[in-house]
Amino acid sequence: EPEVTQTPSHQVTQMGQEVILRCVPISNHLYFYWYRQILGQKVEFLVSFYNNEISEKSEIFDDQFSVERPDGSNFTLKIRSTKLEDSAMYFCASSEAGAYGYTFGSGTRLTVV
Amino acid sequence: GESVGLHLPTLSVQEGDNSIINCAYSNSASDYFIWYKQESGKGPQFIIDIRSNMDKRQGQRVTVLLNKTVKHLSLQIAATQPGDSAVYFCAENRGNNRLAFGKGNQVVVIP
Repeated sequence: EPEVTQTPSHQVTQMGQEVILRCVPISNHLYFYWYRQILGQKVEFLVSFYNNEISEKSEIFDDQFSVERPDGSNFTLKIRSTKLEDSAMYFCASSEAGAYGYTFGSGTRLTVV
Repeated sequence: GESVGLHLPTLSVQEGDNSIINCAYSNSASDYFIWYKQESGKGPQFIIDIRSNMDKRQGQRVTVLLNKTVKHLSLQIAATQPGDSAVYFCAENRGNNRLAFGKGNQVVVIP
């Protein structure tokens, strides 16, 4: 069964450093997303991406965040200057047709120290 | 603001019994709902979905019920197994393919 692949599985970074979280969506999917989950809390939407541009972003997705699809397979989330409160699980997802058939990756656990 | 939420934080169920997990939503414009299962250290895994023009949908050992009148969604798991132990989230499509998740409900299966 096709999977969304995320790397690394765990990233530890110092406050103020830049991090890039990487995702390989399912190959025939056209919609890409990032969500995050702070420990013990619910999964929160960050951003959606379609046709090489952001289609929607949440209030969490401020100027410190950016997304990119640098080639035909990768989808990345960059946090420019990490803060302690950015510590969370970050999930990438992709879908073939809008909200239907969302598939999530296993996540990257980001720990900011 | 409008939100999706779950009534019970933890459900303990005997192996072989049926489980019912409930979810309340408040956005009457939502037209699509999904139940996800999340095991420790993993991402949300799709279980079953339902569109707002339906009130019941069945899968393998799972049934989702949608009551639009009271804005209530439930997930029924038949013959619960140890592998069903996980956190279960309901989610609704808020438009623009943006999913809003509930807080999650831990299911613990007692062997």
